[in-house]
Amino acid sequence: DIQMTQSPSTLSASVGDRVTISCRASQSIINWLAWYQQKPGKAPKLLVYKASKLESGVPSRFSGSGSGTEFTLTISSLQPDDFATYYCQQYTGLYTFGQGTKVEIK
Amino acid sequence: QITLKESGPTLVKPTQTLTLTCTFSGFSLRTKDLGVGWIRQPPGKALEWLGIVYWNDDERYSPSLQSRLTITKDTSKNQVVLTMTNMDPVDTATYFCAHRGVIDDSGVFDIWGQGTFVTVSS
Repeated sequence: DIQMTQSPSTLSASVGDRVTISCRASQSIINWLAWYQQKPGKAPKLLVYKASKLESGVPSRFSGSGSGTEFTLTISSLQPDDFATYYCQQYTGLYTFGQGTKVEIK
Repeated sequence: QITLKESGPTLVKPTQTLTLTCTFSGFSLRTKDLGVGWIRQPPGKALEWLGIVYWNDDERYSPSLQSRLTITKDTSKNQVVLTMTNMDPVDTATYFCAHRGVIDDSGVFDIWGQGTFVTVSS
């Protein structure tokens, strides 16, 4: 099984900050990685697929990078609507989610 | 417009079998490469992928839960059914179904249902 490890688990930041979330796969997943945003009581929302491709309608302040086993989600300037939990997910045949990173107000 | 909605019991007893239905619209599971997946989330915890059924009847399951899961599709009714046997209180969670679309060769869960919360308790 491919395991996904996110860091940090919680991140405290202010509006306007640049935020980086990391995701590591236990083996190479090439670039078969997605990022989701989830707000309390809501379903997850797809932000990024294929490691760096932005889903339609997602603001350009979000970006993804990486390949192989190391990946990053960056929010260039944190907005009030961005306080949420973020999950990475690999999709190489089976699917695995990371444990999530909660972005909270500092 | 693609929509999905989960339905089923909100309470099941330990050892019972859970059956949840995902009713969808806006796409057909006769369409090549499409699928419907199931994901769950215990209260305050992370998302966990359970399994998926594809347009061609291929099924894949989480290795840790494979022995307890079955996912089937009824293409004529636009429904996908999740069955999980031998339910335990640790299976208490919100259960989501999601559309597995293909974007730029990527099979991702791009549209999700609202989720349904299932409690396992005697």
